[in-house]
Amino acid sequence: EVQLVESGGGLVQPGRSLKLSCVASGFTFSNYGMNWIRQAPGKGLEWVAYISSGSSYIYYAETVKGRFTISRDNAKNTLYLQMTSLRSEDTALYYCARRSNLYVMDAWGQGASVTVSS
Amino acid sequence: DVVLTQTPPTLSATIGQSVSISCRSSQSLLHSNGNTYLNWLLQRPGQPPQLLIYLVSRLESGVPNRFSGSGSGTDFTLKISGVEAEDLGVYYCVQSTHAPPTFGGGTKLELK
Repeated sequence: EVQLVESGGGLVQPGRSLKLSCVASGFTFSNYGMNWIRQAPGKGLEWVAYISSGSSYIYYAETVKGRFTISRDNAKNTLYLQMTSLRSEDTALYYCARRSNLYVMDAWGQGASVTVSS
Repeated sequence: DVVLTQTPPTLSATIGQSVSISCRSSQSLLHSNGNTYLNWLLQRPGQPPQLLIYLVSRLESGVPNRFSGSGSGTDFTLKISGVEAEDLGVYYCVQSTHAPPTFGGGTKLELK
């Protein structure tokens, strides 16, 4: 069974940093590109970042470019999102999602909650 | 960025009723490789989104066949033939033909 489990969320002050992790199991993690997608409270879905299977290709949403860094450790089956200079508008539930070879986000984690507030 | 517009934003249905959700794109989602990367997700209350349909009309494994997708170019439709209680939640269309991937605003399906 494919599983994605996020962790590392919490309450953080504006301007501070936080690092999310997503541990994958049930599939060959190193064969898949991965995404981070977020959902602000009561709002829709927003794509945040993508990393290819071998980390050769990395893309960010304009809203987080220069502040967030996506990375992965294929030996540990783990995806990361380093978030710096956090703002109140970054408050959201952050999901990791697998990207299939048909560009489909076909598996999602339960999400990690990030609240940015003083 | 590609804008996906979903209508209606809210849909009230009775059990057994058939309903449709529209997703219109600001530009064609036909990729140069011939595929159209338009997918549908369902987010049940308190749950992460789950994939229902990919490449416009292909049913994800395990998804009931009362769900169907159709469309081309810029106009797409998700149809539920006979709503069941477990179908309640928010439906999103999402495109990955053009970077960055973008989501529709969602359609909330609720019981009448």
